[in-house]
Amino acid sequence: GQQVMQIPQYQHVQEGEDFTTYCNSSTTLSNIQWYKQRPGGHPVFLIQLVKSGEVKKQKRLTFQFGEAKKNSSLHITATQTTDVGTYFCAAHTGGFKTIFGAGTRLFVKA
Amino acid sequence: SQTIHQWPATLVQPVGSPLSLECTVEGTSNPNLYWYRQAAGRGLQLLFYSVGIGQISSEVPQNLSASRPQDRQFILSSKKLLLSDSGFYLCAWSDAGTSGSDEQFFGPGTRLTVL
Repeated sequence: GQQVMQIPQYQHVQEGEDFTTYCNSSTTLSNIQWYKQRPGGHPVFLIQLVKSGEVKKQKRLTFQFGEAKKNSSLHITATQTTDVGTYFCAAHTGGFKTIFGAGTRLFVKA
Repeated sequence: SQTIHQWPATLVQPVGSPLSLECTVEGTSNPNLYWYRQAAGRGLQLLFYSVGIGQISSEVPQNLSASRPQDRQFILSSKKLLLSDSGFYLCAWSDAGTSGSDEQFFGPGTRLTVL
């Protein structure tokens, strides 16, 4: 069935370093969403991208949607310890179902 | 404002026992409702979704079932739990389409341990 591949599975960074997670699909997506899950918590919506080539920023976070609408990335500039958690992409191909990537777990060392 | 409730927060059950997890949403009408399972350190596996009362779509064959007896109530059940049913169960809702966003709002989750 439809899958969304997310890499890397986990990443360790030193506080202040940048971090990027990537999401790829073999089919064209209607939109893509990003969620953050803190350790022990539940996923929380960050953003939705809809348009081809779209770029959105939230403070130190930059989200991109590929021109072909098959891939997306989340980049964090100058990570902080508060950025710790797992970042999920979630894709919509149409209809009611959302397909989540496996997530990238971010560890930040102070 | 909308809120989503799940209970219980944690549950320890013996193998072969029944299960009933409940999720309710407040402050919205006719939401799409979802049940996910998350194994430790893993991603989200969609189990069931519902677009209306009595309408349930199953994504993964398993010994779990779901029901939606009321518009804002979603129940996950099992007649006999297996060890492999252990995990973090998350209920979520999304707007039925008028907002233009597919954002899902997750409940606090239920941590189920089957022994």
